[in-house]
Amino acid sequence: DTGVSQNPRHKITKRGQNVTFRCDPISEHNRLYWYRQTLGQGPEFLTYFQNEAQLEKSRLLSDRFSAERPKGSFSTLEIQRTEQGDSAMYLCASSLGANSGNTIYFGEGSWLTVV
Amino acid sequence: GDSVTQMEGPVTLSEEAFLTINCTYTATGYPSLFWYVQYPGEGLQLLLKATKADDKGSNKGFEATYRKETTSFHLEKGSVQVSDSAVYFCALIETGANNLFFGTGTRLTVIP
Repeated sequence: DTGVSQNPRHKITKRGQNVTFRCDPISEHNRLYWYRQTLGQGPEFLTYFQNEAQLEKSRLLSDRFSAERPKGSFSTLEIQRTEQGDSAMYLCASSLGANSGNTIYFGEGSWLTVV
Repeated sequence: GDSVTQMEGPVTLSEEAFLTINCTYTATGYPSLFWYVQYPGEGLQLLLKATKADDKGSNKGFEATYRKETTSFHLEKGSVQVSDSAVYFCALIETGANNLFFGTGTRLTVIP
């Protein structure tokens, strides 16, 4: 068990460019989550997958953001036409099962800096 | 709506001091409660959790008790170490819900 893996860990991009982050969850976990964390704040929920189905999206997920989990394993989060306000750490997490008391395990995050 | 309120930091303590980080919550149902820790440059690690009233979560010398009557989940440790320096986040998830609500975090610095 290698935990939740995210890459790249750091990305610096120019405003207006597209970026994509990848997340590999813990292998048997059917639930996958994306969160965003800005400096000095707690993580904020973006979206959630159960297997390959995207079941919930936050209002924070504007139409420039798209997330996929095509085979119910790894997931990608793409941000199109990046803006400086997108600068944040993007955290992926995974969990097993439907019980809300189940532990949600987080990756180390992908830092995005938009210049 | 659901929310989590943590005591503001930063908190600076000497090694072996007693730690309390307050956390209170607002929820419409019966949430599960969590403390996560974030070390510099890293993601979040689960520290402890409690899934029902009066449960006590504990790990690595840290403890927190789910108090429904005061809607609180305060984090405590009897004797902190320099290695405990990190940001601590209180969080909740409602029964049947799919997303964690986090507090804003409390930065702890322990000095030798």
